[in-house]
Amino acid sequence: GAVVSQHPSWVICKSGTSVKIECRSLDFQATTMFWYRQFPKQSLMLMATSNEGSKATYEQGVEKDKFLINHASLTLSTLTVTSAHPEDSSFYICSADTGGTYSGYTFGSGTRLTVV
Amino acid sequence: GENVEQHPSTLSVQEGDSAVIKCTYSDSASNYFPWYKQELGKRPQLIIDIRSNVGEKKDQRIAVTLNKTAKHFSLHITETQPEDSAVYFCAPNQAGTALIFGKGTTLSVSS
Repeated sequence: GAVVSQHPSWVICKSGTSVKIECRSLDFQATTMFWYRQFPKQSLMLMATSNEGSKATYEQGVEKDKFLINHASLTLSTLTVTSAHPEDSSFYICSADTGGTYSGYTFGSGTRLTVV
Repeated sequence: GENVEQHPSTLSVQEGDSAVIKCTYSDSASNYFPWYKQELGKRPQLIIDIRSNVGEKKDQRIAVTLNKTAKHFSLHITETQPEDSAVYFCAPNQAGTALIFGKGTTLSVSS
């Protein structure tokens, strides 16, 4: 079935640095990728929707200059957390609608970000 | 946008009992109604879904019922087992758009 590979699975970074998270669709073309953030014991909150070749659409309250999303190809979407702070520590996960290739949505394995 | 409410937030049952989780939504355009199971630190796993032209769907011990008029759908788990313990999320949407997750239900099955 449809597979999205997400890397890294975990990362620890210092405050003020940037971290890039990658999601690759391995066996289908992901025209659209959704990015979520999940704090401990909370639900998955949609951060943004990225479309191949165009600017991402951010949800209300999500800073687009802080969370940079690039979707330059049909198989790769990236989320860069810039100038990370401890409050950005969270579980970040991507999801793609497999659309006509398969049915339903597929998720990456998630990235645990810890900012120290 | 979609407003999703999920109840209860926690549910404790004895092994072998049934568990029911309800999800209400606001967007009448929603036509895809999935339930996800998430274990700690892992990605959500689709356990069952239903589309708007169907009222009920069953897969072994798991079933989903949909009431589009009332805008709610429910997850039913029968003969619960300890391995069913996890957090369950509903995520109604229009197919192709982003899944909007409910706040989740923590199910605990004690043996």
